[in-house]
Amino acid sequence: DAKTTQPNSMESNEEEPVHLPCNHSTISGTDYIHWYRQLPSQGPEYVIHGLTSNVNNRMASLAIAEDRKSSTLILHRATLRDAAVYYCILRNNSGNTPLVFGKGTRLSVIA
Amino acid sequence: GAVVSQHPSRVICKSGTSVKIECRSLDFQATTMFWYRQFPKQSLMLMATSNEGSKATYEQGVEKDKFLINHASLTLSTLTVTSAHPEDSSFYICSAREQGAGNSPLHFGNGTRLTVT
Repeated sequence: DAKTTQPNSMESNEEEPVHLPCNHSTISGTDYIHWYRQLPSQGPEYVIHGLTSNVNNRMASLAIAEDRKSSTLILHRATLRDAAVYYCILRNNSGNTPLVFGKGTRLSVIA
Repeated sequence: GAVVSQHPSRVICKSGTSVKIECRSLDFQATTMFWYRQFPKQSLMLMATSNEGSKATYEQGVEKDKFLINHASLTLSTLTVTSAHPEDSSFYICSAREQGAGNSPLHFGNGTRLTVT
């Protein structure tokens, strides 16, 4: 899987939007961009994924650059429960492949 | 939504004993499940890919005779840590994807924290 680069940590105030960046300059045409998050002492949780177009769901939005070499996960209104490690992962469309986790971004939310 | 149940959530065992961890997909069938472990302050590391009805595929550096994986049905995979030692203490996490679901997300269990004394 192609490599992704994320900041080690970020901080946000509660009820403000958060933009979590991810660089993936070696992305291939068949790689989907997946975001997962891991709350303390829990397994990872799916957040969102996309290929080329921006995506929205009840948890977040995913903005994908036109050249697909970077993407941004947007939490529209951070809450204390959003404090977690966020992982940006590329996964190709070949079916039963595992996710390969990098170090992710540790998001702290301040009340 | 799809749920993966992992049991036990926490286990303490003595050095030299074996521990079995179960991973079940509750409302979908999974021909493939993945096992990860996570040491404190580190990311998840893939240990092995568990395939229903066949042998598991282990990542480099993971001892297949120490970490026995059995995927006997489409909803159950087990990981047995044999002759556990304190260095095996870790957070073990399984994941699964619904059979035939294309590029759908992986679903993760809530992990098993193993402490070997």
